Amino acid sequence: QAQLVQSGAEVKKPGASVKVSCKASGYTFTIYAIHWVRQAPGQRLEWMGWINTGNGNTKYSQKFQGRVTITRDTSASTAYMELSSLRSEDTAVYYCARSTGVRPTDAFDIWGQGTMATVSS
Amino acid sequence: QSALTQPRSVSGSPGQSVTISCTGTSSDVGGYNYVSWYQQHPGKAPKLMIYDVTKRPSGVPDRFSGSKSGNTASLTISGLQAEDEADYYCCSYAGSYTWVIFGGGTKLTVL
Repeated sequence: QAQLVQSGAEVKKPGASVKVSCKASGYTFTIYAIHWVRQAPGQRLEWMGWINTGNGNTKYSQKFQGRVTITRDTSASTAYMELSSLRSEDTAVYYCARSTGVRPTDAFDIWGQGTMATVSS
Repeated sequence: QSALTQPRSVSGSPGQSVTISCTGTSSDVGGYNYVSWYQQHPGKAPKLMIYDVTKRPSGVPDRFSGSKSGNTASLTISGLQAEDEADYYCCSYAGSYTWVIFGGGTKLTVL
């Protein structure tokens, strides 16, 4: 069955970068877009950005523009999210989620298990 | 852009119905029929329950239904069961600039 498996927990110092991977299996990777969503402890879900896995086009939330980079490796059926200039407020669980299509209006039907990233000096 | 507005908590007894509201603006909820709802149990990833305002993915019980009126979308859960106790988040397309916006989340307690 279709699934997304993310990389393991990370601990980073303020100012560093974190890169989270999201490996897809059980479906054709390039047919469905991938979104990245984060959730700080006890807080709401927050959309970070999107990648069209077919052509590599990306769209980022204005909040993270300039700090986030989403890429993909089609040969590995894997998407990546890198967040730079980390601060304590970036401590959160980071999720990748498959879109039901490639339109920005499509919902997120399959989610990764989440990757906890802790930013601490 | 601010989050969509949801009640912090709702509750109901087993077998009852509850409705969770999600209020936005004409630039998001009211402007498009692209509202989705996600259920999240503690420590787990979210699960898609409703998409395109009213559509239910395969495998989601028909006790879950969605609707929209103006700038407010709603998720109704009928025949409440203990396993429905979770956090629920609404999500809407918000146009070509913002794209995606989530609600603040609602904690459902089954009494």
